[in-house]
Amino acid sequence: GAGVSQTPSNKVTEKGKYVELRCDPISGHTALYWYRQSLGQGPEFLIYFQGTGAADDSGLPNDRFFAVRPEGSVSTLKIQRTERGDSAVYLCASSPRPGEGMYFGPGTRLTVT
Amino acid sequence: AQSVSQHNHHVILSEAASLELGCNYSYGGTVNLFWYVQYPGQHLQLLLKYFSGDPLVKGIKGFEAEFIKSKFSFNLRKPSVQWSDTAEYFCAVNAGGGKLIFGQGTELSVKP
Repeated sequence: GAGVSQTPSNKVTEKGKYVELRCDPISGHTALYWYRQSLGQGPEFLIYFQGTGAADDSGLPNDRFFAVRPEGSVSTLKIQRTERGDSAVYLCASSPRPGEGMYFGPGTRLTVT
Repeated sequence: AQSVSQHNHHVILSEAASLELGCNYSYGGTVNLFWYVQYPGQHLQLLLKYFSGDPLVKGIKGFEAEFIKSKFSFNLRKPSVQWSDTAEYFCAVNAGGGKLIFGQGTELSVKP
């Protein structure tokens, strides 16, 4: 069984550009999470989906960040007008049900220059 | 708001030494507790979890953790570490609502 996959693995973009990060969860997992991890820090919660709907988006830092999961499987995190402070590793995880142990993907390292 | 505190930022041990990493959380209700590990160059992996029942839980690779409700703690232990345990360790809590809140991590370096 495949684990959580994320693409791209690395993304370098210029300040002000738009980026999309993709997450493919484990098949059958209804809950999908996005986290952000900066160097020397633990994962910081951004948003989680139960099915197609965002069950909790309280961690999104501002309205430049948006995420979708239109068919209840693959999810895309979208960042508009990127800033240098957005540079981090963006982690995706999935779990069979909310609150249970999550399975993390390898992350996308975003660098905003 | 819920929070998780890991007191040790970097721990250095020699092989065969015993390990205890501290984790405290702030939430008075029912919690689910987790330890995750991130080996160099790899992604986060679940080490062990506590939902209910026996407060001493055993995980993979000889790790265990004890939930002490009165102390709001969930410390990770291993009787004898190996060089291959060198990694970063994260404590996390779910206090309802589905999301996990992570501590800032403890880097463990084991000297051969």
